[in-house]
Amino acid sequence: DVKVTQSSRYLVKRTGEKVFLECVQDMDHENMFWYRQDPGLGLRLIYFSYDVKMKEKGDIPEGYSVSREKKERFSLILESASTNQTSMYLCASGGTSGSGTDTQYFGPGTRLTVL
Amino acid sequence: GENVEQHPSTLSVQEGDSAVIKCTYSDSASNYFPWYKQELGKRPQLIIDIRSNVGEKKDQRIAVTLNKTAKHFSLHITETQPEDSAVYFCAATEGEGGSYIPTFGRGTSLIVHP
Repeated sequence: DVKVTQSSRYLVKRTGEKVFLECVQDMDHENMFWYRQDPGLGLRLIYFSYDVKMKEKGDIPEGYSVSREKKERFSLILESASTNQTSMYLCASGGTSGSGTDTQYFGPGTRLTVL
Repeated sequence: GENVEQHPSTLSVQEGDSAVIKCTYSDSASNYFPWYKQELGKRPQLIIDIRSNVGEKKDQRIAVTLNKTAKHFSLHITETQPEDSAVYFCAATEGEGGSYIPTFGRGTSLIVHP
């Protein structure tokens, strides 16, 4: 059974703080993704990574950066948190056809509130 | 890039009725179409998917149909039950040799009244 875990379920930070959200998957998936989910806007892609040390911008990368030093771990960084980054953050991992699946598996989400 | 439209945004049905959620996509290179169910407070989970070489797929009370020519695909739930109440997301993906990056619809909130 695929397991995708995120470091925190709930997080409260102050404006200007640096925030780290961590995601770990145990399926040896090549691809990992970070989304934010806001009511009425669905899932919007922030960044994704095809492999270790590789990263690509998604649809809304402004204000975020990522790090992938190990295959199983993908971190989202908010360099200077702002109130408009209050949201639910979902991590996902997925394989490629070589691994038999291109389905995405999601983590439980981190509800971030920036005061 | 890909654009996925999903309708309706909210769907309210009586228990036992059928529910249909429709999605359209724009990129003919998309070839993998998963549907995710997200119950309140939980993570999205895959419930059914279809690839572009198939027109229809069924799994018990749920089915998905795909019309490649018209670039639309639909989720059908028959004999709805209160536990089907959730937000459903469609996605279009360039899998199998593509980017493997899904584009999601905005979601449909399905409410099944007992």
